[in-house]
Amino acid sequence: GESVGLHLPTLSVQEGDNSIINCAYSNSASDYFIWYKQESGKGPQFIIDIRSNMDKRQGQRVTVLLNKTVKHLSLQIAATQPGDSAVYFCAENIAGRGGADGLTFGKGTHLIIQP
Amino acid sequence: EPEVTQTPSHQVTQMGQEVILRCVPISNHLYFYWYRQILGQKVEFLVSFYNNEISEKSEIFDDQFSVERPDGSNFTLKIRSTKLEDSAMYFCASWTSGPSYFGPGTRLLVL
Repeated sequence: GESVGLHLPTLSVQEGDNSIINCAYSNSASDYFIWYKQESGKGPQFIIDIRSNMDKRQGQRVTVLLNKTVKHLSLQIAATQPGDSAVYFCAENIAGRGGADGLTFGKGTHLIIQP
Repeated sequence: EPEVTQTPSHQVTQMGQEVILRCVPISNHLYFYWYRQILGQKVEFLVSFYNNEISEKSEIFDDQFSVERPDGSNFTLKIRSTKLEDSAMYFCASWTSGPSYFGPGTRLLVL
């Protein structure tokens, strides 16, 4: 079965609004989670990561929330811009693995920013 | 901004032919990876490579696949006898600490 999956394939938001992209995972052994952004014709681009000993981590305009109780991960993007339009993937790996080792990716959510 | 580069960007090959996909990881990185993404599907892990040997591989990475770091800068993925189902985007990635970096991918089409 699928260990990591996304609830919504497409999310459309108005420019300037905040967006929330969700992800569910099923592997309790996962302890490292990453959000990637993939623009058309490019490879996945690292956005932000979080380890299971945290429940929130903030970056520039992005926040990742981790709820281990319900095995749920979300990516919040504040004040969306046209350049945020892309497919967003969550990915996980299990304890002891770092970097991009053995990541399990979700299917992706296509974020569309409307003017 | 450091970047991983991959060549070629596109490759078309006949079924049964060998292909070599090339990657130049970020220069001070020590861990290297290959992933693939079949059109419309998820990105899938193939293999990780560290200290000149495979450290982990998935079920997809069978005997038809091999990886090599022939010199200090290149990291290659060889598919010995391509099958139609090998058609996909192949991404190389590298890491030592902090963010992992993916290359732009090679689109492989097997006819």
